[in-house]
Amino acid sequence: GEKVEQHESTLSVREGDSAVINCTYTDTASSYFPWYKQEAGKSLHFVIDIRSNVDRKQSQRLIVLLDKKAKRFSLHITATQPEDSAIYFCAVNTGNYKYVFGAGTRLKVIA
Amino acid sequence: GGIITQTPKFLIGQEGQKLTLKCQQNFNHDTMYWYRQDSGKGLRLIYYSITENDLQKGDLSEGYDASREKKSSFSLTVTSAQKNEMAVFLCASSVGKNEQYFGPGTRLTVL
Repeated sequence: GEKVEQHESTLSVREGDSAVINCTYTDTASSYFPWYKQEAGKSLHFVIDIRSNVDRKQSQRLIVLLDKKAKRFSLHITATQPEDSAIYFCAVNTGNYKYVFGAGTRLKVIA
Repeated sequence: GGIITQTPKFLIGQEGQKLTLKCQQNFNHDTMYWYRQDSGKGLRLIYYSITENDLQKGDLSEGYDASREKKSSFSLTVTSAQKNEMAVFLCASSVGKNEQYFGPGTRLTVL
């Protein structure tokens, strides 16, 4: 079955710098790649996604890149702010309704 | 807007006990999910339901049962709680294969 590896378990950046979180997957049939944010003591909420028919998507300070050849996608958070500090999860949908999640990246934005 | 509610918020059980977790959503979403989140790990899919009256096993279904009573509700049963088990169970819903909306979670502790 599909396997998702989230490469950075922790990440610290200075406020105003960019943060990049990388995920790789194994199933070439995967077609939908959402990202979720989990703030301390809270549940997950959706932040941005990308589908396999495009290779870049931006929503305000968030950019997602998809490299289907390398089976890799990444979340770029530009001009980081303290409220970006959280755990970020990548996820992969293989075309059915099942999702496989990465293990999460704990991002700390240092003021 | 809508909301997902999960009950109870905290659940303490005894080894071997059968425990039921409940989830309600008022988004009118067709698809609902149950995930397990262990500390420091990603989410693992237990059961999902594409539409009312549908039930599908995820990768972690052994030891669990689920029931989609109606479109708005999805229950999960731990058939025999394991001693020292500690995890957060998250319910989610979505419109088809799109972003998922997560509930606040049920934190399970087994004594």
